[in-house]
Amino acid sequence: GQSLEQPSEVTAVEGAIVQINCTYQTSGFYGLSWYQQHDGGAPTFLSYNALDGLEETGRFSSFLSRSDSYGYLLLQELQMKDSASYFCAVKGGTASKLTFGTGTRLQVTL
Amino acid sequence: GAVVSQHPSRVICKSGTSVKIECRSLDFQATTMFWYRQFPKKSLMLMATSNEGSKATYEQGVEKDKFLINHASLTLSTLTVTSAHPEDSSFYICSASWDRDYEQYFGPGTRLTVT
Repeated sequence: GQSLEQPSEVTAVEGAIVQINCTYQTSGFYGLSWYQQHDGGAPTFLSYNALDGLEETGRFSSFLSRSDSYGYLLLQELQMKDSASYFCAVKGGTASKLTFGTGTRLQVTL
Repeated sequence: GAVVSQHPSRVICKSGTSVKIECRSLDFQATTMFWYRQFPKKSLMLMATSNEGSKATYEQGVEKDKFLINHASLTLSTLTVTSAHPEDSSFYICSASWDRDYEQYFGPGTRLTVT
C-alpha cells in the first residue's frame, strides 16, 4: 500500500519562506506531485518531481530524494493568498492514479 | 486550458434516493477520470479510476454497486450514489488527466447532503 505523511498545520508570516515536508512509503514509485487547495475549492496542480533534486516554478519549488522517500514544497515570499491546504501525492503502483498525503494547512499571517 | 466542470455543485437529497453527479472535461479529451471523496479538512480519498468505454476500477472498500460510475465518452464521466444514506454526505470531486497522468485537473466538487 501507499502512505504519505505531512505536518498537519504550518503558520508563517507574509514575506517569509516556508517548507512543507512529505515522507512516503509506497510499493512502487514514479514521482511526487504537489497540489494546492483553498477552502471549498478544487485542488490545483503545483509541481511534479520524478527525479532527485529541486524543481523551481516561480515562488514555489519542490524537492525530491528518492533514496530517503522524502520530498518538500518550498514557498518563498509568502503572500496572504497562499493560505491554503497543500497535498503531496505519489504516482506509484498502478501508473495512472495518485495517492494523496494527509495535507498541510498553511496559514499566512501579517 | 484543462478545465473540468462538475454538476451539480450542491445537492440535498432524502435518504434512500439516488443522486447523479456529472464530470466533464471542457477543453480536452480525458484518457482517465478519477472520483474522490473528501471529508472536511481531510485528504482526498480515491474512490475509483475510470477509462472511457471500460469498467471503472474501484479502490478497496468502495462498494461498486453503491457508487456507480459510467464513463461514456472521453469528456464525460458520471458518479451515481445509489440509495443514499446520511453517511454518504461528503464532498465528491472528480479529476481528469490526459497526456501527463501525474497532473490531474480537478472539478470544483459536489457537496452532497443526505437527510
